[in-house]
Amino acid sequence: DSGVTQTPKHLITATGQRVTLRCSPRSGDLSVYWYQQSLDQGLQFLIQYYNGEERAKGNILERFSAQQFPDLHSELNLSSLELGDSALYFCASSVDEGAGETQYFGPGTRLLVL
Amino acid sequence: SQQGEEDPQALSIQEGENATMNCSYKTSINNLQWYRQNSGRGLVHLILIRSNEREKHSGRLRVTLDTSKKSSSLLITASRAADTASYFCATERAGSYQLTFGKGTKLSVIP
Repeated sequence: DSGVTQTPKHLITATGQRVTLRCSPRSGDLSVYWYQQSLDQGLQFLIQYYNGEERAKGNILERFSAQQFPDLHSELNLSSLELGDSALYFCASSVDEGAGETQYFGPGTRLLVL
Repeated sequence: SQQGEEDPQALSIQEGENATMNCSYKTSINNLQWYRQNSGRGLVHLILIRSNEREKHSGRLRVTLDTSKKSSSLLITASRAADTASYFCATERAGSYQLTFGKGTKLSVIP
């Protein structure tokens, strides 16, 4: 158990809908990262937050957004969902900003868009 | 785009044998990390090697890094059935905090 929690574990929804994925980092970790894992694209970095501020952006679509709250938990919002958004979404956390650090991954949220 | 490319894509060995997985990358890096993922579950950090290091050991794991060839290898010695998983290399590019993952090597260890 990494200490990172994600909810829900599974999510099934329809195209065009909006969902929110939630992540609680390990106690004391200031950085939260979001990744998308799909069969064709592999594991793609989406976005990083550090102590409430956006730190780095990867291959995140404009339909997706995220935020980190004062208690350091984070939410990833996915809107206008398409079939291709079906994937495993992972959250990870690290102690500090990220340079040279271990990232601790949560168990993931499996999203299925029908 | 993928920074790291693992090779082979899949590897099947007998329990007790050694498993070697390779990773190649394209740009200058601060460090390279190896992660393991059991089917459909979260990734688990195995080992980090910095750009100024050439070799690192952790238990049955041995990682090498050749920055001139932009490549790394992960060796698992005396493999066990419980080592069956996918193994990913991840690179932290110079000047960046984010990790870029390869597509992974799927290792099967047959009892």
